[in-house]
Amino acid sequence: EAQVTQNPRYLITVTGKKLTVTCSQNMNHEYMSWYRQDPGLGLRQIYYSMNVEVTDKGDVPEGYKVSRKEKRNFPLILESPSPNQTSLYFCASSSEGRAQHFGDGTRLSIL
Amino acid sequence: QKEVEQDPGPLSVPEGAIVSLNCTYSNSAFQYFMWYRQYSRKGPELLMYTYSSGNKEDGRFTAQVDKSSKYISLFIRDSQPSDSATYLCAISNTGNQFYFGTGTSLTVIP
Repeated sequence: EAQVTQNPRYLITVTGKKLTVTCSQNMNHEYMSWYRQDPGLGLRQIYYSMNVEVTDKGDVPEGYKVSRKEKRNFPLILESPSPNQTSLYFCASSSEGRAQHFGDGTRLSIL
Repeated sequence: QKEVEQDPGPLSVPEGAIVSLNCTYSNSAFQYFMWYRQYSRKGPELLMYTYSSGNKEDGRFTAQVDKSSKYISLFIRDSQPSDSATYLCAISNTGNQFYFGTGTSLTVIP
C-alpha cells in the first residue's frame, strides 16, 4: 500500500529537549515536504526537498532542521523546541510537487 | 497580505445541495491550483489539480480558476454526508513551494 508514515503520532515533551519526527514514504517519490497546521493559520510549509541532499526553506523554517540522506526518509528536527512549536505536523511526498500524498500527522505538545 | 485567503465557514447544507467553496489569491504568478479534502484526524488528500486557468471536472467535483480575478472555486454537486470534511485550497508558482488556505469546514446533513 502506498503511504507516508510519520512517527511518533503524538508527543508531549519539554522546552529545549531535542526531538526528531521521522517521515518515510514507500512510493519512490523525489519530492518531500513538511508542514505545520495551526487553527486559523492553516497549513504552512516548513521545508521541502526536491531530491536526496537537496533541501530548501518553506514559509516558516525558523527553529527547524531537515535532512535528506535517503530518498525515502525526510526527518524533521527540532534542536531546541519551544512552546510556540506546539502544533500538528504533516509530512508529504510527491513524484511531482503538485499531487502530494500526506501522512496522518504528528501532534506535538511542547511544555 | 496572505498569499491565499479562504472563508473558514462553517458551511452546512442539506444532502443533494450544490456546494460552492472559494479562495482568492494575491499574486498573478501563481499557476498551480489544488483542492484538498481533510477528514478529522487525517492528512489532507488531493481532490483536484488545475494548471493555469479554466475548469476541470471529476465526477461530482468541478474546479474553476479565474486568473483575471485571482479567484478559485470548487463546486460539489449532489453533496453527500460523506463529503462532510474540511476543504483546503492550495496554490503554487513553482510546483515545489505551496501556500494553503485555512480551510472551509463543510457539513452535509442527511
